[in-house]
Amino acid sequence: AQSVAQPEDQVNVAEGNPLTVKCTYSVSGNPYLFWYVQYPNRGLQFLLKYITGDNLVKGSYGFEAEFNKSQTSFHLKKPSALVSDSALYFCAVRGFNKFYFGSGTKLNVKP
Amino acid sequence: KAGVTQTPRYLIKTRGQQVTLSCSPISGHRSVSWYQQTPGQGLQFLFEYFSETQRNKGNFPGRFSGRQFSNSRSEMNVSTLELGDSALYLCASRRTGGDEKLFFGSGTQLSVL
Repeated sequence: AQSVAQPEDQVNVAEGNPLTVKCTYSVSGNPYLFWYVQYPNRGLQFLLKYITGDNLVKGSYGFEAEFNKSQTSFHLKKPSALVSDSALYFCAVRGFNKFYFGSGTKLNVKP
Repeated sequence: KAGVTQTPRYLIKTRGQQVTLSCSPISGHRSVSWYQQTPGQGLQFLFEYFSETQRNKGNFPGRFSGRQFSNSRSEMNVSTLELGDSALYLCASRRTGGDEKLFFGSGTQLSVL
């Protein structure tokens, strides 16, 4: 069965510090992995995706994610957090023509 | 290029009523999918339509239905509303043929009283 887990409901980080939002997945076959961000009262916006190739994927707004096949993880990272990064982040995996989303992680970046 | 448009933005209904939500995808996108978002549950997949045909369906009761028109616009219908149907309903479109990126609308916030 395809599934995604985001073990942290909330992540707090100070502005300027590095941030990590965790995601683990379970999928049959090669994973197609995604990160989306949701700002208040808005739909989700695409950040980045991993289909194949380099394990480190770079995306929008300075975010990157590291694909780790042995740990079945796809953690979202950013070297220096901004207050404007505060939002709800979703990890997703595509399998059997469906997208499976995690429950979301609320990122709070404090000045 | 216009984004994914969902109407209405907000809806208030009472139990037992039915509701229809509308979604206009990005021009050229033939796939439209629907998701239910509730706090703590993340996004739950409802169904996906492609070229007017339902291609996939999630684990929702038959009260939830949808359709897609020849211009790729899609509607979602929920009959006999229950309190638990209160949620943000999101529509997403994507270009098929290798591009796996979803483009989401801002959603319709449905409140069932």
